[in-house]
Amino acid sequence: AQSVTQLGSHVSVSEGALVLLRCNYSSSVPPYLFWYVQYPNQGLQLLLKYTTGATLVKGINGFEAEFKKSETSFHLTKPSAHMSDAAEYFCAVRDYSGAGSYQLTFGKGTKLSVIP
Amino acid sequence: GAGVSQSPSNKVTEKGKDVELRCDPISGHTALYWYRQRLGQGLEFLIYFQGNSAPDKSGLPSDRFSAERTGESVSTLTIQRTQQEDSAVYLCASRNRGGAMNTEAFFGQGTRLTVV
Repeated sequence: AQSVTQLGSHVSVSEGALVLLRCNYSSSVPPYLFWYVQYPNQGLQLLLKYTTGATLVKGINGFEAEFKKSETSFHLTKPSAHMSDAAEYFCAVRDYSGAGSYQLTFGKGTKLSVIP
Repeated sequence: GAGVSQSPSNKVTEKGKDVELRCDPISGHTALYWYRQRLGQGLEFLIYFQGNSAPDKSGLPSDRFSAERTGESVSTLTIQRTQQEDSAVYLCASRNRGGAMNTEAFFGQGTRLTVV
């Protein structure tokens, strides 16, 4: 069964600083990986996804993530944080779990605070 | 509608009462997921529907929880004899499987359930 570990439930960065949110996964097959963002009192919005092909994936709002198979990681980065990036970020993995079911498993989330 | 719609957006109920939560997926999306998000926690998988296949109910926490889906449209999540521990945001997501593994899930805004 797949699982997702997000290191750090809460990350604080200064405005303009690098954002790095960590995600490690385990999966029995090559995974499909996603990062979602959740703003307060809202649903989840897709930031980016990795399926196959290029391991560096660019998403919305200047975010990108790199799939590293050897490290089973899919860390999310942004060169320069904006105040509007303050939100909770979820890493997710989807693979086939048998009997026609494609489970989508989420990490516990990382809350990003941006300090002016 | 253009997105996943959930109703009600907020629900306050007395302990011991039954509640029904509704999800209208994006038209044409064959896959539908229900998740539970407790305060300060990640997303907990509840149930997954895929077309006419038997649903994956492996995430339902107890027999008080059940869900139905009418064909490839509306789904309802029912919680019987609610307990205070059921208080959470219940999120619904749909995905256009369309034969592709790489399509992302789109989330509704969620239903915030408070059991008093």
